Amino acid sequence: SQQGEEDPQALSIQEGENATMNCSYKTSINNLQWYRQNSGRGLVHLILIRSNEREKHSGRLRVTLDTSKKSSSLLITASRAADTASYFCATDEVQGTYKYIFGTGTRLKVLA
Amino acid sequence: SQTIHQWPATLVQPVGSPLSLECTVEGTSNPNLYWYRQAAGRGLQLLFYSVGIGQISSEVPQNLSASRPQDRQFILSSKKLLLSDSGFYLCAWRESYEQYFGPGTRLTVT
Repeated sequence: SQQGEEDPQALSIQEGENATMNCSYKTSINNLQWYRQNSGRGLVHLILIRSNEREKHSGRLRVTLDTSKKSSSLLITASRAADTASYFCATDEVQGTYKYIFGTGTRLKVLA
Repeated sequence: SQTIHQWPATLVQPVGSPLSLECTVEGTSNPNLYWYRQAAGRGLQLLFYSVGIGQISSEVPQNLSASRPQDRQFILSSKKLLLSDSGFYLCAWRESYEQYFGPGTRLTVT
C-alpha cells in the first residue's frame, strides 16, 4: 500500500519565519490533505487539494501539488509559536476504497 | 454541528486483559468511521473502517476487533491485550473527502 512520507522529520524555526514541509506518495490519488496534530491530541484538518489542482491557499497556509512527481508541499508563512505541532499529509486511493493513508509526519517547533 | 466523542481519555491495562474503546458521532448520519493507532512520535496506522452498520473492514490482522452496533457508534475491542497494543487510538469520521478526529484514547499496556 502507498505510504506518504514527509520531510523533514523535524523542523525548528524562529517565530516569523516561514516553514516548509514536503510529502511524497507512491500511487495515483484523488486528493491530498494536510492535518495538524498538537501533542497528545486528535488531528485537525487543515486543507485539501484535489489532484487537478496545483496550488491552494488558506490564510497563512499554502499547499502545492505536483502529481507528476507525486509530491506536495505545505508552506506556513509568518509562523507563530502556536503553530508548533506535528503535520501530516494524507492521500486517498483513486479507486475509492474510503481509506486514507497518512504519512509519518513533520514535527514543527516554532521558537518565540 | 458534528462532534465526535471518545472515551476513556486514558487507560492503563495489564497484559492479557480485555479492552473496549467507544466512539460516538453526533450531528451526522451514516458516516464512514475509522479507527487508527498512533505509536509514540509516529504516523497513523489504519486499523478498521466502516461504511455502515455491521460493515467492518480490517486493515491489519492482529488481536483487535471492531464493531458498529449503531449508525453512529464504533467500538474497538480486544479479548487479550498485548504489550504492543500500547498507543494512542483515534476515531475519525469522514464527510465528503475530509476526516474529523476525536480527542483520542491513550492506552498503556503494562
